Amino acid sequence: GAVVSQHPSWVICKSGTSVKIECRSLDFQATTMFWYRQFPKQSLMLMATSNEGSKATYEQGVEKDKFLINHASLTLSTLTVTSAHPEDSSFYICSAMTGSNTGELFFGEGSRLTVL
Amino acid sequence: GQQVMQIPQYQHVQEGEDFTTYCNSSTTLSNIQWYKQRPGGHPVFLIQLVKSGEVKKQKRLTFQFGEAKKNSSLHITATQTTDVGTYFCAGLGSGTYKYIFGTGTRLKVLA
Repeated sequence: GAVVSQHPSWVICKSGTSVKIECRSLDFQATTMFWYRQFPKQSLMLMATSNEGSKATYEQGVEKDKFLINHASLTLSTLTVTSAHPEDSSFYICSAMTGSNTGELFFGEGSRLTVL
Repeated sequence: GQQVMQIPQYQHVQEGEDFTTYCNSSTTLSNIQWYKQRPGGHPVFLIQLVKSGEVKKQKRLTFQFGEAKKNSSLHITATQTTDVGTYFCAGLGSGTYKYIFGTGTRLKVLA
């Protein structure tokens, strides 16, 4: 199956700093990628839809200035958590579709962010 | 907005027992997918259901899509310890491109 890689897997940062998370489709081109946030033992909450070459579409309640998404190429989307605070600590995970008819979402391994 | 609920939230079963999780959407769905997430891992696609009343089987797993396309179920026969994890349904609303994930059911299998 298709492979989506996320980096870093773990990141610890100080409050007030910014953190960038990368999501790459390794063996296919992804015009659309999705970013989720998952709190412990909870579901995946869709944050935004990342569209190659255009602005991301954010879900209601998600601060676009806080969570900057860039989809500069067909294989890379980045999520930058700006001026991170402890409440931003979470598991962030991306997914992408290959464009086939199955509609299957392929997920990255996720990135666990801890803000001190 | 669209909401997708799953019950139960948790389920502990003895190995060999059956398990079922139910998924209910507040709106009619175009299709529904099921994913499994192992502890510490990422969701992995299991199956997609598209047609009203559709039933699909994968070995010990049976998936159903309701006639009204608002609910779905996943049934596991004779659970094994390898079935441990959280099972999520994800619904695609009509006229949208986004999958909304259900609240998940966490399964523990006791050997």
